[in-house]
Amino acid sequence: QKEVEQNSGPLSVPEGAIASLNCTYSDRGSQSFFWYRQYSGKSPELIMFIYSNGDKEDGRFTAQLNKASQYVSLLIRDSQPSDSATYLCAVRPRGGATNKLIFGTGTLLAVQP
Amino acid sequence: DAGVIQSPRHEVTEMGQEVTLRCKPISGHDYLFWYRQTMMRGLELLIYFNNNVPIDDSGMPEDRFSAKMPNASFSTLKIQPSEPRDSAVYFCASTFGTYNEQFFGPGTRLTVL
Repeated sequence: QKEVEQNSGPLSVPEGAIASLNCTYSDRGSQSFFWYRQYSGKSPELIMFIYSNGDKEDGRFTAQLNKASQYVSLLIRDSQPSDSATYLCAVRPRGGATNKLIFGTGTLLAVQP
Repeated sequence: DAGVIQSPRHEVTEMGQEVTLRCKPISGHDYLFWYRQTMMRGLELLIYFNNNVPIDDSGMPEDRFSAKMPNASFSTLKIQPSEPRDSAVYFCASTFGTYNEQFFGPGTRLTVL
């Protein structure tokens, strides 16, 4: 079992719809969770992070964390063609003050105009 | 700030040759990370440094890979000898302190023929 799993996609949604991206992780002791966006040929950039169970909203983005079920999701409301990218889920494992991140392989999102 | 700087941006070499990738972190950052990204395996952490000291090199695939950070503003990742399976995009990232955003460089696309 991979430490961080994502559906590779592509996930295709029409413009204006809600895109839902999911991620599961294997280490129940994982501390914090990150969503990065990566445009084709570019480097990853942080969108959001979440530490506590529940929802965290930032503009059109909402991160959801359920530690009991070991999943984290990212919702993108009012999807735009400019949101088309690969979304990487990253998990900080247990182990004190560590800066190590474990990434999933990413989900490709395609927003159709 | 110029962001994380990596060189070269593209490298094409033949199997068996030595390859050296370079990274300049953001000024003031005390953590530096080397990642490798492939379609099959996604984004993998190879090694990271704190204050120029290697903290976790468990992701370094084998003895052919080595990384150094001689000072706070420069790091190298060396592959000797290179093999076709080393073909990937290599990213360098940096951050300040623990639990903060990692900023990625533009990456080096390595092709080993």
